[in-house]
Amino acid sequence: AQRVTQPEKLLSVFKGAPVELKCNYSYSGSPELFWYVQYSRQRLQLLLRHISRESIKGFTADLNKGETSFHLKKPFAQEEDSAMYYCALTDFGNEKLTFGTGTRLTIIP
Amino acid sequence: DAEITQSPRHKITETGRQVTLACHQTWNHNNMFWYRQDLGHGLRLIHYSYGVQDTNKGEVSDGYSVSRSNTEDLPLTLESAASSQTSVYFCASSEGTESYEQYFGPGTRLTVT
Repeated sequence: AQRVTQPEKLLSVFKGAPVELKCNYSYSGSPELFWYVQYSRQRLQLLLRHISRESIKGFTADLNKGETSFHLKKPFAQEEDSAMYYCALTDFGNEKLTFGTGTRLTIIP
Repeated sequence: DAEITQSPRHKITETGRQVTLACHQTWNHNNMFWYRQDLGHGLRLIHYSYGVQDTNKGEVSDGYSVSRSNTEDLPLTLESAASSQTSVYFCASSEGTESYEQYFGPGTRLTVT
């Protein structure tokens, strides 16, 4: 069975400091990985996906198949980055998403 | 503008009552999903549909049912509400063309007393 693990429930980072939100997965097939974000009073929305290799709002994520990780990184945190972040995976051809438990990121001014 | 809506946004009900949560999307998406969001569990898939007349069980489907009679709607029914079903429920949809991006509704906060 596929599983997504986000070991940090809460993460506080000072403004301007680097951010790394950890995500590990277990899956026997070839997964597609995503990061979703939920800002206060907003809907859950896609932040980025592995296959597009885009940098969104300064965030990047690299898929490490050896370590089965897809950590989300940003070099300089901004106050507007405070939100709930979910890592998720699906396999190609299967539209279902499996979510991690989420990490609440707080940026300290 | 196309969107996905949920109603009601808040609901309080009593144990044992039947409750239906509505989800409506105007994107003409093939795929629709229901999740529940609980502290410490993240989002867990309840039921999903890949098209009209298609429904499938997700990870936590016990006590829930869905039906898909048209493209736009996927109502979620709690047959006999239990306190363990107190949660925030999210509906989502996706194109079904291997784009994989899911678009989420605003959520329904359900309290079972």
